[in-house]
Amino acid sequence: QSALTQPASVSGSPGQSITISCTGTSSDVGGYNYVSWYQQHPGKAPKLMIYEVSDRPSGVSNRFSGSKSGNTASLTISGLQAEDEADYYCSSYTSSSTHVLFGGGTKLTVL
Amino acid sequence: QVQLQESGPGLVKPSETLSLTCTVSYGSIHSYYLTWIRQPPGKGLEWIGYVHYSGSTNYNPSLKSRVTISVDTSKNQFSLKLSSVTAADTAVYYCAACGYLTTVFDYWGQGTLVTVSS
Repeated sequence: QSALTQPASVSGSPGQSITISCTGTSSDVGGYNYVSWYQQHPGKAPKLMIYEVSDRPSGVSNRFSGSKSGNTASLTISGLQAEDEADYYCSSYTSSSTHVLFGGGTKLTVL
Repeated sequence: QVQLQESGPGLVKPSETLSLTCTVSYGSIHSYYLTWIRQPPGKGLEWIGYVHYSGSTNYNPSLKSRVTISVDTSKNQFSLKLSSVTAADTAVYYCAACGYLTTVFDYWGQGTLVTVSS
């Protein structure tokens, strides 16, 4: 099954807000509220930032927020900081036998 | 907080079996679905599968014929075996722990690079 679709790159200046989209189908993103987002700095393991579309784990800044409309989920980062520069991956439960899909990843550059 | 650490050979020959172990610290292995995920160099993430302490498993269909994930509760460890490897299996392999949702990867190991080459 194909991966979820994310833009290859986004950029923003410090203090601005950016949004990363994650598009799937009714069999995954659109059909269930099981979308997660992960942040990955170079050479490091991914870190869970958002789960169940919009919930934040303890310790994750409230500058990170998630939402969903139809088959597209979104991650918004407000008040961009230099430390936010990283790759971001979405994932979703899928009703197919694949069980979970990842997006291709989005590279966030803080200008 | 739960910590995970992968271990195993960093180089595997083509057609052989890749074997990795993940040790879980500061947490009970009974509390999580124990997962393997991989990331080819410069590419995205791919879910491999998970095991529950009860022994139940679920694998990515694209790898199912070559994958075995098992758990050793006495050692607080779980393992990955991937048979008949090729260069396409070269990747950083991560172990991860999921809480009540098997699709939310709450905790991750640091990852280990496995290269398939003769």
